Amino acid sequence: DARVTQTPRDKVTEMGQEVTMRCQPILGHNTVFWYRQTMMQGLELLAYFRNRAPLDDSGMPKDRFSAEMPDATLATLKIQPSEPRDSAVYFCASGLVVSGTGENSEQYFGPGTRLTVT
Amino acid sequence: GEDVEQSLFLSVREGDSSVINCTYTDSSSTYLYWYKQEPGAGLQLLTYIFSNMDMKQDQRLTVLLNKKDKHLSLRIADTQTGDSAIYFCAEKGGDTGRRALTFGSGTRLQVQP
Repeated sequence: DARVTQTPRDKVTEMGQEVTMRCQPILGHNTVFWYRQTMMQGLELLAYFRNRAPLDDSGMPKDRFSAEMPDATLATLKIQPSEPRDSAVYFCASGLVVSGTGENSEQYFGPGTRLTVT
Repeated sequence: GEDVEQSLFLSVREGDSSVINCTYTDSSSTYLYWYKQEPGAGLQLLTYIFSNMDMKQDQRLTVLLNKKDKHLSLRIADTQTGDSAIYFCAEKGGDTGRRALTFGSGTRLQVQP
């Protein structure tokens, strides 16, 4: 049963601390997405990778957030320094996109990391 | 920019049909999706429809697409208490410069026994 996995599931940290969230996409998928979900803003796209290359990180605050894919089986989202307004659930999703017009973009979501910054 | 809108809340009785509606603004949308999110969980892909179709049925789920009005609906037949969740509509634009999906704010479905 192929699934996207995320660690940790819950993280409580103090303001100013570094936070690293990890995601293992489904084997064989070539796209990875990071989303943030809050009550106020709903679901926001933070970053999008295709074949490990970042294609869109326009939704991500550049001064404190960074996203990487060290290899095809690992994606990381780092916040340094963290702030209380970063408290949210962070979802990773992966998918398989085949180049061409009208490409389907099914995304399979992980269970999320609930981040609380005090 | 592109926008996807949904009503916030729907309440139905167990056994009734539920219809969740969604409107979008991008006339070049190629694929439209329905996701389900249960409490404390990630989004689960339920179904999707290609923009050249007007209907897709999958067991208890029926998706209707009115491309002219940019209106998408999800009908759940014989709604069960286990269907209680938040349902998100999402669309993928045809503009190749846009890579990701645009999600609506979600409709909370409450199924009363």
